[in-house]
Amino acid sequence: DAKTTQPPSMDCAEGRAANLPCNHSTISGNEYVYWYRQIHSQGPQYIIHGLKNNETNEMASLIITEDRKSSTLILPHATLRDTAVYYCMRQRGPMDSNYQLIWGAGTKLIIKP
Amino acid sequence: GAGVSQSPRYKVAKRGQDVALRCDPISGHVSLFWYQQALGQGPEFLTYFQNEAQLDKSGLPSDRFFAERPEGSVSTLKIQRTQQEDSAVYLCASSGIAGVAYNEQFFGPGTRLTVL
Repeated sequence: DAKTTQPPSMDCAEGRAANLPCNHSTISGNEYVYWYRQIHSQGPQYIIHGLKNNETNEMASLIITEDRKSSTLILPHATLRDTAVYYCMRQRGPMDSNYQLIWGAGTKLIIKP
Repeated sequence: GAGVSQSPRYKVAKRGQDVALRCDPISGHVSLFWYQQALGQGPEFLTYFQNEAQLDKSGLPSDRFFAERPEGSVSTLKIQRTQQEDSAVYLCASSGIAGVAYNEQFFGPGTRLTVL
């Protein structure tokens, strides 16, 4: 299974929008794109997921390209507490019995004051 | 508490020692996952339970690793004859609805295992 591709690290100024890219060029039609983040020494935390439409919740927005080969997670107003490793993943859809999340190495996002 | 809990939070074992790591999922969650996370890496899937049934153990690295969830709630990951390469953080996650893959997984804080 091909993992997603993300830049290893990014910086963003506090108060600005953080845009985190992810490539998933081999994603299948029934696979969702998931984003989690992991703050130092804690377990991962769910952020958002989507299939093909753009999604928004109280934490972030997820923009998925029309061909579904890439996506961008947007944190609209980054704060210092958003400093974490952000993981973009594929998860097989509900018709598949394998519920694995396929994790990559993630992007370390550093929010600077 | 309402979240996933794991114990112990830290475990130091001598090479060759057996260890048991415990996970208490969110009450009522039917799905439970174990992951292994090496330093600086993303989590790697180990095994998956739906209630008491272990539906996928394809990620267990060797037959020294064994997981169980006998009553469909608490789970234990056991590692026999620990080796230095077993040193990692072991994460447990649970999610709610059977048969629905696109559930949020709730993670515990992990158990950091160090094998000397």
